[in-house]
Amino acid sequence: SAVISQKPSRDICQRGTSLTIQCQVDSQVTMMFWYRQQPGQSLTLIATANQGSEATYESGFVIDKFPISRPNLTFSTLTVSNMSPEDSSIYLCSAEGPQFGRDTDTQYFGPGTRLTVL
Amino acid sequence: GQSLEQPSEVTAVEGAIVQINCTYQTSGFYGLSWYQQHDGGAPTFLSYNALDGLEETGRFSSFLSRSDSYGYLLLQELQMKDSASYFCAVRDSNYQLIWGAGTKLIIKP
Repeated sequence: SAVISQKPSRDICQRGTSLTIQCQVDSQVTMMFWYRQQPGQSLTLIATANQGSEATYESGFVIDKFPISRPNLTFSTLTVSNMSPEDSSIYLCSAEGPQFGRDTDTQYFGPGTRLTVL
Repeated sequence: GQSLEQPSEVTAVEGAIVQINCTYQTSGFYGLSWYQQHDGGAPTFLSYNALDGLEETGRFSSFLSRSDSYGYLLLQELQMKDSASYFCAVRDSNYQLIWGAGTKLIIKP
């Protein structure tokens, strides 16, 4: 299994500013992911963060708005840039990889970052 | 397009059995997963079915029929702590997880 931590756990930000969310995994992982989730709704994948290469963004999400770094196999950051109230959401990072043993299909999630933009 | 359908809400009584269904239409299929998410918490993995049949893990079981593009999560001996949202998710041909909208399980004493 894996333990994933995220910082900050929550934040209230002003319109037009940027926030960087950090995600730390307690073991080396192949794949890391960033999701957005509105309360009571499903998870929307923002991008897949691979170590040593550019992140792969899903339709509707662009690198200028959500730049991602993946400097090593245990860490990733997501920046929400030039924020607007529509960016208010819960942002979750997750990780998966064959190194987790038999649970090769498992994604492990961080506790999330609750972002409110005023 | 790709879609997963599951009921938005299910209500059951403590101690009872409840089944949450999931039908899917995806480009390719590697397996069906179930995740549990309590309010304010992160999703946690419950089960994974790659082959047809029933997988049992304690009070929870998960079933898959690939020919019917259908699966379900069965929760037995319901406890109040099982009140949560349950998501089904499918691995498509790109090995990407496609998520259902989630089912809110309400348990009454």
